[in-house]
Amino acid sequence: AQSVTQLDSQVPVFEEAPVELRCNYSSSVSVYLFWYVQYPNQGLQLLLKYLSGSTLVESINGFEAEFNKSQTSFHLRKPSVHISDTAEYFCAVSEVGGGFKTIFGAGTRLFVKA
Amino acid sequence: GAVVSQHPSWVICKSGTSVKIECRSLDFQATTMFWYRQFPKQSLMLMATSNEGSKATYEQGVEKDKFLINHASLTLSTLTVTSAHPEDSSFYICSASSPTGNYGYTFGSGTRLTVV
Repeated sequence: AQSVTQLDSQVPVFEEAPVELRCNYSSSVSVYLFWYVQYPNQGLQLLLKYLSGSTLVESINGFEAEFNKSQTSFHLRKPSVHISDTAEYFCAVSEVGGGFKTIFGAGTRLFVKA
Repeated sequence: GAVVSQHPSWVICKSGTSVKIECRSLDFQATTMFWYRQFPKQSLMLMATSNEGSKATYEQGVEKDKFLINHASLTLSTLTVTSAHPEDSSFYICSASSPTGNYGYTFGSGTRLTVV
């Protein structure tokens, strides 16, 4: 069975500073990897996903994540954050051929300060 | 893009009553829908997998007689919390996957259930 570990429960950062949210996974088979963002009292929004191909994936709002198979990681990064990036970020994994079942990490609260 | 509508967005009910939450795929057919539960400041926990036309598959520890799931059509799945109690108060979120495997599933906006 797969599992996901988000190493930081909270990440405070100043506006315009870079940020990295860490995610490690465990699985005995190939996986798909996702990052979701959740604003208060809202559902999840897909930020970006890795299915295959290039290990570096990007979102439209400046986030990127790199799949590292040897380190079983999928860290999320942004070179310069904005106040509006304050939210909860969830890393998730789905096993290839696993019937679309997705397991989520515990989440990382990104708090951007002015 | 694929849209999933969840209704209601919030509900308050009295202890002992039942509450139904709807999850609809608006512009695609969802053969599989998932129901998650999220406690404050915690992650999403998968409750059950709902497949159109068949019984839902519940995760370990989830009471299937308490959380009734019906997926009668390719666009609608419902979760009914029966005989709700205050400990059932939570944020419930559904997601849907299309037959083509729309990885990066689309999530509903969630339902905040408060049992008083």
